[in-house]
Amino acid sequence: GESVGLHLPTLSVQEGDNSIINCAYSNSASDYFIWYKQESGKGPQFIIDIRSNMDKRQGQRVTVLLNKTVKHLSLQIAATQPGDSAVYFCAENSGGSNYKLTFGKGTLLTVNP
Amino acid sequence: DTAVSQTPKYLVTQMGNDKSIKCEQNLGHDTMYWYKQDSKKFLKIMFSYNNKELIINETVPNRFSPKSPDKAHLNLHINSLELGDSAVYFCASSPSDRAGGFKFFGPGTRLTVL
Repeated sequence: GESVGLHLPTLSVQEGDNSIINCAYSNSASDYFIWYKQESGKGPQFIIDIRSNMDKRQGQRVTVLLNKTVKHLSLQIAATQPGDSAVYFCAENSGGSNYKLTFGKGTLLTVNP
Repeated sequence: DTAVSQTPKYLVTQMGNDKSIKCEQNLGHDTMYWYKQDSKKFLKIMFSYNNKELIINETVPNRFSPKSPDKAHLNLHINSLELGDSAVYFCASSPSDRAGGFKFFGPGTRLTVL
């Protein structure tokens, strides 16, 4: 399958469970963070973003939490569905850059029916 | 009605050849990018153009030459292709006032160098 040889962190959940995907970012000067979802064979797709003046932001079934003290970001997906299966990336605006996004390693989420 | 489109979707070629990948966005954005995704899914920015002007060049070998004929297009030309160039290349765009983050990505071009 696609995951062979990728060495990505993986998370496997049952349909209907909540999922939490974690990310450590690198630059304490970054002030804007985004979660992207990448399905097999497609480009990354925006899910939710958060600015550094917030510690929590909610969307539809997704919540992003930001802990600037430990440079940690998490994405919570409620009632995970098979269609949520994808690779999830966190990204930071590289020390406050107006143009450059630095992506994290990615986590492969597999939802079992 | 595709927002960011790339051609071709797949590109298989021999080492030493020269190839181009094209990108177009119909979102009216001022800023466009090329990202490279390796076999481990790691995504790294290569270039960024704002209103046809190069603003980011991330120590990419000079065999890679981006060209932006207008702000809706950003093409990537690669000379003397090497095995290590095999990857998926993504074009992206964003509005200038949100260029620091929110990007729309194209579907990717999978380049395989034999």
